[in-house]
Amino acid sequence: NAGVTQTPKFQVLKTGQSMTLQCAQDMNHEYMSWYRQDPGMGLRLIHYSVGAGITDQGEVPNGYNVSRSTTEDFPLRLLSAAPSQTSVYFCASSPGQGFSGANVLTFGAGSRLTVL
Amino acid sequence: GQQVMQIPQYQHVQEGEDFTTYCNSSTTLSNIQWYKQRPGGHPVFLIQLVKSGEVKKQKRLTFQFGEAKKNSSLHITATQTTDVGTYFCAGPSNNAGNMLTFGGGTRLMVKP
Repeated sequence: NAGVTQTPKFQVLKTGQSMTLQCAQDMNHEYMSWYRQDPGMGLRLIHYSVGAGITDQGEVPNGYNVSRSTTEDFPLRLLSAAPSQTSVYFCASSPGQGFSGANVLTFGAGSRLTVL
Repeated sequence: GQQVMQIPQYQHVQEGEDFTTYCNSSTTLSNIQWYKQRPGGHPVFLIQLVKSGEVKKQKRLTFQFGEAKKNSSLHITATQTTDVGTYFCAGPSNNAGNMLTFGGGTRLMVKP
């Protein structure tokens, strides 16, 4: 049981490049989400999903796309990277409504992205 | 929109001293959660409080949920170097499908 797996752990991009951060969970959780963490600003919600085929925007969605074709996978796409997207990105999952600990998050190890 | 604030942002303590971090929400929360993030690591769930006025203990850690369900605190008795990290509180967002809104965190540093 690996929990939440994120790849890559580190990535350096040039401004304007695109890339995808991968996230997979093996706990059969309904909910998945992406957060970014910047110094002094805690964790801010980018996008989230409450089930396969359903996604929605969080607090800071601009410049990012997501999709949820399966329960297990929730990739985050940066369409045209900007220096302001330099951050640490965390994918997380939670059981979902109706389950014990419905919104208790299990986080991946994080992906550190630098945009030059 | 909903805001969750934490104070202090940083705290240095001598090993053996007590530590408290405070969390305040702009809205009433159905529950509040606390997470710990070790340096270089990812946030790890510590506890969830649900009831008004609830107090829970985990060894040297004491968690409280305010009567109005808008504030919470985490108190560590006799800190140890293993307590080093950033402590986050989080509550369900009122406009993002019950996802969590996090406070800015309190970074605890312990001097041996």
